[in-house]
Amino acid sequence: EVLLSESGGHLVEPGGSLRLSCAASGFTFSNFAINWVRQAPGKGLEWVSVISGGGGRTFYADSVKGRFSISRDNSKNTVYLQMNSLRAEDTAVYYCAKDRDYSSDYLSYSGVDVWGQGTTVTVSS
Amino acid sequence: DIQMTQSPSSLSASVGDRVTITCRASQSISSYLNWYQQKPGKAPKLLICPASSLQSGVPSRFSGSGSGTDFTLTISSLQPEDFATYYCQQTYIVPRTFGQGTKVEIK
Repeated sequence: EVLLSESGGHLVEPGGSLRLSCAASGFTFSNFAINWVRQAPGKGLEWVSVISGGGGRTFYADSVKGRFSISRDNSKNTVYLQMNSLRAEDTAVYYCAKDRDYSSDYLSYSGVDVWGQGTTVTVSS
Repeated sequence: DIQMTQSPSSLSASVGDRVTITCRASQSISSYLNWYQQKPGKAPKLLICPASSLQSGVPSRFSGSGSGTDFTLTISSLQPEDFATYYCQQTYIVPRTFGQGTKVEIK
């Protein structure tokens, strides 16, 4: 079974940092891009970032560019989202999600077919 | 960035109704448009990817159409389990933007 599981969500003060992890199982991890998508309380989905299967290509939403950094360790089947300079508007459930189609060193055009259960990040003093 | 605009933002419908949701992109995205269903407290579920291709296991009452900038999601006969929020997303170019969502409620 293909599974993704996020961890690392926490209450943090504005300006603080947090690292989220996304652990994967049940598929050839290095063959698929992984995305982070967030959802603020009562709001819609917001795409945050994506990393290619090989890890060589990373992309970010304008709202997090320069503050967040995505990385992956294919030996541990894990993707990370390092979040710095956190703001109240970063408060959300953060999901990791796997691209449906194979890609290694580039991004596919596919949507995401497997999602984790989400981890909650709260930025508040 | 490509802006994705869904309409309506919400709708009320009855079981058995035909429901259509539209999604418009601010520029052409070819057919790289995906549809998701999300129920409260749950992660989204991929329904259609791309444009008109039904994801494996999704009931055939769901269908998608469109290309370029205008797309539709149709539910041919609404079932009780279909009451949820639906999102479109373009994966033509990063950032991979979502629409604002359409909430389908029980009339």
